[in-house]
Amino acid sequence: DGGITQSPKYLFRKEGQNVTLSCEQNLNHDAMYWYRQDPGQGLRLIYYSQIVNDFQKGDIAEGYSVSREKKESFPLTVTSAQKNPTAFYLCASRGRQGSYLGNTEAFFGQGTRLTVV
Amino acid sequence: AQSVSQHNHHVILSEAASLELGCNYSYGGTVNLFWYVQYPGQHLQLLLKYFSGDPLVKGIKGFEAEFIKSKFSFNLRKPSVQWSDTAEYFCAVSRNSGNTPLVFGKGTRLSVIA
Repeated sequence: DGGITQSPKYLFRKEGQNVTLSCEQNLNHDAMYWYRQDPGQGLRLIYYSQIVNDFQKGDIAEGYSVSREKKESFPLTVTSAQKNPTAFYLCASRGRQGSYLGNTEAFFGQGTRLTVV
Repeated sequence: AQSVSQHNHHVILSEAASLELGCNYSYGGTVNLFWYVQYPGQHLQLLLKYFSGDPLVKGIKGFEAEFIKSKFSFNLRKPSVQWSDTAEYFCAVSRNSGNTPLVFGKGTRLSVIA
């Protein structure tokens, strides 16, 4: 059935290492998003992509990178430049209604909990 | 830039009590509004959404929300909560036109005690 799959569910990383979080969707949605969730901070936007081969920085993009080579996939790389990477990462996607995304809801994956050890 | 304020960080209620969670946003144009819920260990799910029309919207599990444009508010309500409503609740907003992402509030944790 349709949905968003994030993997892995739990990830441990040593300081100084880059790590890539996977996000795949089979909803045929144009737009995909990465949010970071920290206790008491809500969801903060890292990067988003509205179409293949294009993406924009969100509010907290520093230390992260993304790619969007396929419509279904939007991987997030947490680089060693990210000063506080331990967090819960959520991927979302959104379809279009006509030309706009505004009138549609976002669907979320189960999340990846990243811990730096 | 848009922002969303959720007034309560943590709400504790007894079963059968009524619930109202506040949400205010700061964008002056036409907006779409959402409430999402995150049950312990589960992914975010949509509770309800407002795009246009009747400002009182009904969602799943007996939740409703009222859009008051003059107050830039979209408060979530439920007349009688259950223990199973224990979760974190997020308000979100996006512009009605264009392709801007959803902007979320910081969330309200609801604990329902028996």
